[in-house]
Amino acid sequence: AQTVTQSQPEMSVQEAETVTLSCTYDTSESDYYLFWYKQPPSRQMILVIRQEAYKQQNATENRFSVNFQKAAKSFSLKISDSQLGDAAMYFCAYRSILNAGNNRKLIWGLGTSLAVNP
Amino acid sequence: KAGVTQTPRYLIKTRGQQVTLSCSPISGHRSVSWYQQTPGQGLQFLFEYFSETQRNKGNFPGRFSGRQFSNSRSEMNVSTLELGDSALYLCASSLDGTSGNTIYFGEGSWLTVV
Repeated sequence: AQTVTQSQPEMSVQEAETVTLSCTYDTSESDYYLFWYKQPPSRQMILVIRQEAYKQQNATENRFSVNFQKAAKSFSLKISDSQLGDAAMYFCAYRSILNAGNNRKLIWGLGTSLAVNP
Repeated sequence: KAGVTQTPRYLIKTRGQQVTLSCSPISGHRSVSWYQQTPGQGLQFLFEYFSETQRNKGNFPGRFSGRQFSNSRSEMNVSTLELGDSALYLCASSLDGTSGNTIYFGEGSWLTVV
């Protein structure tokens, strides 16, 4: 079974600085999707970035980028020029590329709470 | 385009009661999934529905059930509530639930069992 681990329960960063959140995962599959979701106090999960495992190029969305190391099964999120609005829980999630039965779900890490200090 | 809508947003129930939560997916989305979020267990998958059929079910007792209607709206029901059922219940929708879909979440329903 696949697992996702986020080893940093809490992180903090100064406004305008850069912070990296860590995520490791375990799977025997060769193709899959990885996600970073943000959960602000409103509790709505918001997709930050998505990475397809078959793509070697790291995904980027504006100030958010990932460092995807497939062999190491590592998927870290870098937030550049941090803003106060970035303060939230960040979750790393895994989705099998397969669509049969028990594969049809996201598997989540426990999250990292990010504080942004002014 | 309206997002995923969950009702009610907050509710308090007593042990032994039952509760029904509702989710309206984004227009055109036919796959609806439910997740339970608790501080201790994190996010756990409950079930997924597509075209009124349950396609996948997580490791939850039979007290947790769901259904989907012809308009893709979904409900989940928890019977004989226990204190441990207190959680945020998140609904997610996508076009057809396949792996390449973008998944959108609602704001959740906060259930407190006393």
